[in-house]
Amino acid sequence: EAQVTQNPRYLITVTGKKLTVTCSQNMNHEYMSWYRQDPGLGLRQIYYSMNVEVTDKGDVPEGYKVSRKEKRNFPLILESPSPNQTSLYFCASSHWQRTNTEAFFGQGTRLTVV
Amino acid sequence: AQSVSQHNHHVILSEAASLELGCNYSYGGTVNLFWYVQYPGQHLQLLLKYFSGDPLVKGIKGFEAEFIKSKFSFNLRKPSVQWSDTAEYFCAVNAPNRDDKIIFGKGTRLHILP
Repeated sequence: EAQVTQNPRYLITVTGKKLTVTCSQNMNHEYMSWYRQDPGLGLRQIYYSMNVEVTDKGDVPEGYKVSRKEKRNFPLILESPSPNQTSLYFCASSHWQRTNTEAFFGQGTRLTVV
Repeated sequence: AQSVSQHNHHVILSEAASLELGCNYSYGGTVNLFWYVQYPGQHLQLLLKYFSGDPLVKGIKGFEAEFIKSKFSFNLRKPSVQWSDTAEYFCAVNAPNRDDKIIFGKGTRLHILP
């Protein structure tokens, strides 16, 4: 089954404690990205990757890091989380530069930073 | 840069009412257009998509959308909504011959009264 898998689904952490949210896709997609969803602000892109070892900043990259060492995985790293990073996070993947492509989303990770 | 505008942030309708959610995008070249739905507590799922051909696109659950190139619009419609349509709806666009990023609108929260 084609899917994007995020872990964990729920996470409560304390300010400053490094954390990683994993994202994995099994569709051989080149393009992967991370979004955060906040009430009234919709989906805002944090980082994206067009292929292995190619990453770029989205609209709200501050406080986040990513890596793309393998095509299937795109972890999101918060080196020193702060309360304003409390949000719902989604990972998405799609093919890159193909005419007929759509984004597939993971189940989401609800992060609370206290 | 491309952008997507969804005109209605919050829509409340009674069951059996007709629905139209507006979406406009800003890019003048070739585009792919999408509507995603997010049911309460769930991740985003594709409702329908337009790549080329017939500008009237039919999706799942009785939804349809019409691509009007001259108006840069891709409005979502449903003739008779159900309580189970309560969700948040996101319009999205990507330009496959350009940077190929998928850009999302801020979303429209639809609430159907039983």
